[in-house]
Amino acid sequence: GENVEQHPSTLSVQEGDSAVIKCTYSDSASNYFPWYKQELGKGPQLIIDIRSNVGEKKDQRIAVTLNKTAKHFSLHITETQPEDSAVYFCAGLPSDKLIFGTGTRLQVFP
Amino acid sequence: NAGVTQTPKFQVLKTGQSMTLQCAQDMNHEYMSWYRQDPGMGLRLIHYSVGAGITDQGEVPNGYNVSRSTTEDFPLRLLSAAPSQTSVYFCATSPGLAGVEQYFGPGTRLTVT
Repeated sequence: GENVEQHPSTLSVQEGDSAVIKCTYSDSASNYFPWYKQELGKGPQLIIDIRSNVGEKKDQRIAVTLNKTAKHFSLHITETQPEDSAVYFCAGLPSDKLIFGTGTRLQVFP
Repeated sequence: NAGVTQTPKFQVLKTGQSMTLQCAQDMNHEYMSWYRQDPGMGLRLIHYSVGAGITDQGEVPNGYNVSRSTTEDFPLRLLSAAPSQTSVYFCATSPGLAGVEQYFGPGTRLTVT
């Protein structure tokens, strides 16, 4: 079955710097890769997603890149702000079940 | 619209007790799912449903039952609670049938002693 690995598990950056979180997946049938942000005490919230026929997608300060050949995808956050501090999860969708990575705790220091 | 609601928010059970975690949505989504979240393990799929009357198992279904009699509701039943079921449980819905663009509820924190 699908296995999604996520790195790093924790990431600390200074406000204004960029943050990059990387995920690899094992099942080449995966064709949808979302990223979720989870704030303390809340449920995960979808922030951006990408499908396998696209190499990159941007939404303001957030971007996701996908390399199907290498089976990895990354989340890029530019000009980080304290409110970006949260846990971020990547996921892959090989069939009809989302398989999540183990999460990255991002801390943005003012 | 309330979106996805879950009750209760917190629950403490003793080993062997049973209970039902409630999930309701008002978005008319066909796809609903239950996840558990444990430290260092991300979110793991317990059961899911692609429509009323249809359910299927996820990664970690043992010890849990589900049913889907209406589009709006998808309850998760713990048959005989065990300490290993101590976790935070999230319900999620999706407008598609394949689990894309999932909307998560606020979660239920369950402790089994």
